Amino acid sequence: GDSVTQMEGPVTLSEEAFLTINCTYTATGYPSLFWYVQYPGEGLQLLLKATKADDKGSNKGFEATYRKETTSFHLEKGSVQVSDSAVYFCALSGLTDSNYQLIWGAGTKLIIKP
Amino acid sequence: EAQVTQNPRYLITVTGKKLTVTCSQNMNHEYMSWYRQDPGLGLRQIYYSMNVEVTDKGDVPEGYKVSRKEKRNFPLILESPSPNQTSLYFCASMVAQSSYEQYFGPGTRLTVT
Repeated sequence: GDSVTQMEGPVTLSEEAFLTINCTYTATGYPSLFWYVQYPGEGLQLLLKATKADDKGSNKGFEATYRKETTSFHLEKGSVQVSDSAVYFCALSGLTDSNYQLIWGAGTKLIIKP
Repeated sequence: EAQVTQNPRYLITVTGKKLTVTCSQNMNHEYMSWYRQDPGLGLRQIYYSMNVEVTDKGDVPEGYKVSRKEKRNFPLILESPSPNQTSLYFCASMVAQSSYEQYFGPGTRLTVT
């Protein structure tokens, strides 16, 4: 079945460092890809998305490009802030047997130190 | 404000005591779904509903029930909770045949002792 693999955390960086969180997927068909963020004690927020190959999603300084050839959707940010500390989830979705199920990675905890 | 609401946000209960977690959305979305979040496992789908009176099992449905009598509501029922159902639960909704972006509720943290 479909699956998502993302790098294990926690990832600890200093403020203003460059961030990459790797995400690769296995899927039949052409799924949409997402990054969700969960701040401490809060629910899930959509950070960015891409619906087809070569699309780039971006939001709040974060970017990710849908790479079909490498089945990847890595999250990047040029200069992280303490407020970016959160758990980041990579996910894919597509219609399967009338179910728009999201398949999730295990999550990567990001810690930014001042 | 467009949103998905869940109640309660926190619940501590004992084994075997029936409980219901409510979920409501005000966006007229056809599709609704329940997930549970466990450390190291990400989120896993429990049940989903494509529309009123149409529900089906996700990946981990054992021990749960749902109903969809109205478009806006999708309650999750635990008839006889057990400690392995201690988890963080999220309800989500989406416009069917859209860009697959799902909107999530704030989560319900359930502890079963």
